[in-house]
Amino acid sequence: DTGVSQDPRHKITKRGQNVTFRCDPISEHNRLYWYRQTLGQGPEFLTYFQNEAQLEKSRLLSDRFSAERPKGSFSTLEIQRTEQGDSAMYLCASSSRTRGAEAFFGQGTRLTVV
Amino acid sequence: SQQGEEDPQALSIQEGENATMNCSYKTSINNLQWYRQNSGRGLVHLILIRSNEREKHSGRLRVTLDTSKKSSSLLITASRAADTASYFCATDRGAGANNLFFGTGTRLTVIP
Repeated sequence: DTGVSQDPRHKITKRGQNVTFRCDPISEHNRLYWYRQTLGQGPEFLTYFQNEAQLEKSRLLSDRFSAERPKGSFSTLEIQRTEQGDSAMYLCASSSRTRGAEAFFGQGTRLTVV
Repeated sequence: SQQGEEDPQALSIQEGENATMNCSYKTSINNLQWYRQNSGRGLVHLILIRSNEREKHSGRLRVTLDTSKKSSSLLITASRAADTASYFCATDRGAGANNLFFGTGTRLTVIP
């Protein structure tokens, strides 16, 4: 499978716990994005990497959220001290170096905080 | 905040009919993209139209773009039950923009 893959697909965690999600983009894509989507809404931008550099962060990304892309390949999104409001689908996407290129999305990680 | 707004929020049609969804946005753009999302799944890219294009076709899909009105439409012809999904438009915000902004989507139901 050469698409964007995300792991895990589902995560249930207790409030206050830390969680980490992984995204493996399409191999030749240098741009990687994280989005969050709640029920009935469109995806909301969280952060963007070009290679290993995190170039843009949304104000939605509170101090409890951190994202990395250490070698410009896979990326991780960590949420510390999870809250019930963090329950959502977390989507990863990647695109090529061409500006305006289409973004390819993974299947997402559904987080439920209980 | 989200950039685009789709209209209608929900649409129900019979199989074989055409479905039209509209998207309005607020700022200048480089391009506009349409995505499909089946329930609980990731987004599938359908079509990209650049700001200097007015119409684009892909199979049963037809997309138009009117930059003067800041609006786009997606037409699905000869709909099938498998087209049942949510459809989102996504825009960048012109020069320097590196991410996409999505609307709230149109939920399309095609009745067999």
